[in-house]
Amino acid sequence: NAGVTQTPKFQVLKTGQSMTLQCAQDMNHEYMSWYRQDPGMGLRLIHYSVGAGITDQGEVPNGYNVSRSTTEDFPLRLLSAAPSQTSVYFCASGQGSMAQYFGPGTRLLVL
Amino acid sequence: QQPVQSPQAVILREGEDAVINCSSSKALYSVHWYRQKHGEAPVFLMILLKGGEQKGHEKISASFNEKKQQSSLYLTASQLSYSGTYFCGTESSGGADGLTFGKGTHLIIQP
Repeated sequence: NAGVTQTPKFQVLKTGQSMTLQCAQDMNHEYMSWYRQDPGMGLRLIHYSVGAGITDQGEVPNGYNVSRSTTEDFPLRLLSAAPSQTSVYFCASGQGSMAQYFGPGTRLLVL
Repeated sequence: QQPVQSPQAVILREGEDAVINCSSSKALYSVHWYRQKHGEAPVFLMILLKGGEQKGHEKISASFNEKKQQSSLYLTASQLSYSGTYFCGTESSGGADGLTFGKGTHLIIQP
């Protein structure tokens, strides 16, 4: 099993550009989520999904969209990148309240 | 609302014990503990469900007092490999929403 994979590992964007961060898992987990991590702030929940076709907002959803068309994939879209979105993004998956398995992260710099 | 972790940082000598606390203002269904090393993804340590149970994992154990909405992580006879940032993640309902993480506790183990 590959576990949770994320692409790309690094990305540099210009303000106003859009992009999609990819996340995939091969553990047949129903629950998937996206977090951003900034220095001194811990991990903050952006969006989450409890199953295919179901998504919901977390603590910091503004500027991000998600969709869940399959159990395996949960892409995160930045609609119009802003410097405030410079961060490390982690995708995680798990079964309900059980352990969450994190992907390796995507480091995003918005200029 | 983020749970509050204390202390923010702690420096220990190898072999010493440490306690990391996590406190929430909301009623909790579960508490998760994760460890993150620099430049890596968070790694799951253990989960405690409401019921006041205590769990152990080698020399790392945790307790959960649901009435006080608090959890503590105990590291006994610390090893160099225990260094990293420890996060608690709290959940208010059983798998219906995402984890809310604290800002983390930085643990440095010196030889």
